[in-house]
Amino acid sequence: QKEVEQNSGPLSVPEGAIASLNCTYSDRGSQSFFWYRQYSGKSPELIMFIYSNGDKEDGRFTAQLNKASQYVSLLIRDSQPSDSATYLCALSGGGADGLTFGKGTHLIIQP
Amino acid sequence: KAGVTQTPRYLIKTRGQQVTLSCSPISGHRSVSWYQQTPGQGLQFLFEYFSETQRNKGNFPGRFSGRQFSNSRSEMNVSTLELGDSALYLCASSSGDVRPEAFFGQGTRLTVV
Repeated sequence: QKEVEQNSGPLSVPEGAIASLNCTYSDRGSQSFFWYRQYSGKSPELIMFIYSNGDKEDGRFTAQLNKASQYVSLLIRDSQPSDSATYLCALSGGGADGLTFGKGTHLIIQP
Repeated sequence: KAGVTQTPRYLIKTRGQQVTLSCSPISGHRSVSWYQQTPGQGLQFLFEYFSETQRNKGNFPGRFSGRQFSNSRSEMNVSTLELGDSALYLCASSSGDVRPEAFFGQGTRLTVV
């Protein structure tokens, strides 16, 4: 049974600072890792995905993966109030299985 | 490029009734997955269809079923509705090949009374 753990928050970060969101997972066979952003009342929106150990950067976002420690994180630089949302960590074992989601971290960027 | 389209957006049904939800994936995508989202359980995988075949299934009772058509559009059916089936039902579209990035539709908010 795959499990994905996230701190539910809320995580409060001042505007302009770096927001750090973390996720741990139980299944060592997991191959693909995703970060989704979900605004209240909206559907999840894919922000980043990562397959290999290390860092992957896209604009203000950096995803970090450490398979040995079963840990994936998302860094948001220069946080903006519009980044306030719930961030969902998800993983896939590859092949035909669906995504397993964590319950999300509620992020609040304080102006 | 059009996104994932789910209809209807909102539904209110009575216990014991059945309901059918529809999802049209991104053009060219052959995989459609369905998820249930509730405040208590979060996002949970229901099933995935690829080329009209169910490829994988989550841990939901048989009252939840689905199908996919030759144009990749998918429907999800829930029979004998229970109060606990009230949730946001999300459909995710992906290419279905080795890259499993999934893109969600706006969802259908189902309320069972």
